Amino acid sequence: DTAVSQTPKYLVTQMGNDKSIKCEQNLGHDTMYWYKQDSKKFLKIMFSYNNKELIINETVPNRFSPKSPDKAHLNLHINSLELGDSAVYFCASRKSGRGSEQFFGPGTRLTVL
Amino acid sequence: AQKVTQAQTEISVVEKEDVTLDCVYETRDTTYYLFWYKQPPSGELVFLIRRNSFDEQNEISGRYSWNFQKSTSSFNFTITASQVVDSAVYFCALSGITDSWGKLQFGAGTQVVVTP
Repeated sequence: DTAVSQTPKYLVTQMGNDKSIKCEQNLGHDTMYWYKQDSKKFLKIMFSYNNKELIINETVPNRFSPKSPDKAHLNLHINSLELGDSAVYFCASRKSGRGSEQFFGPGTRLTVL
Repeated sequence: AQKVTQAQTEISVVEKEDVTLDCVYETRDTTYYLFWYKQPPSGELVFLIRRNSFDEQNEISGRYSWNFQKSTSSFNFTITASQVVDSAVYFCALSGITDSWGKLQFGAGTQVVVTP
């Protein structure tokens, strides 16, 4: 199936650990995003890559580091996890062009204990 | 700066009632794009519709319809004859032309609860 996929779907870890979330899309898109959805359901963009180049870098702690090995993949690594990092992280992709819609992955629910 | 306001936090209806979701936006861009996304209880975000700022034609798609009015900066969404499966959080989002990489500014979402 063509889609945006994320692994893992659930991630439970202790404070201070380092973890990664992986995202892959097979839609042929060239732009990918990471969004964070907090406990109140508010969605906020974190990063975006276009053709493996970082193009959007919102005010995010530098413990968060995205990496895009190719156009189809965008990973998110988080160092020294904190309680406040608990959220749902969504990956999205789109074909660059004015107003094209973004397609979202299923989300990764991160719980930091 | 872009801003999207969804003033309704939650709307509860009985099945077969119509429900209208309000969305008001702010932008300095003369060209912009508006979107609606649905987030059912299963958690995924589903794209519903996109509208360009230069296309004020309203649209009906099955039980869904959209009312875009630039004069009031509103992009409202109506579900006709609601069903239990329509229960979800609905997000309105905005992308301005200056955000050439398509950054989406989301509203806070409106929870729709449809009871049998």
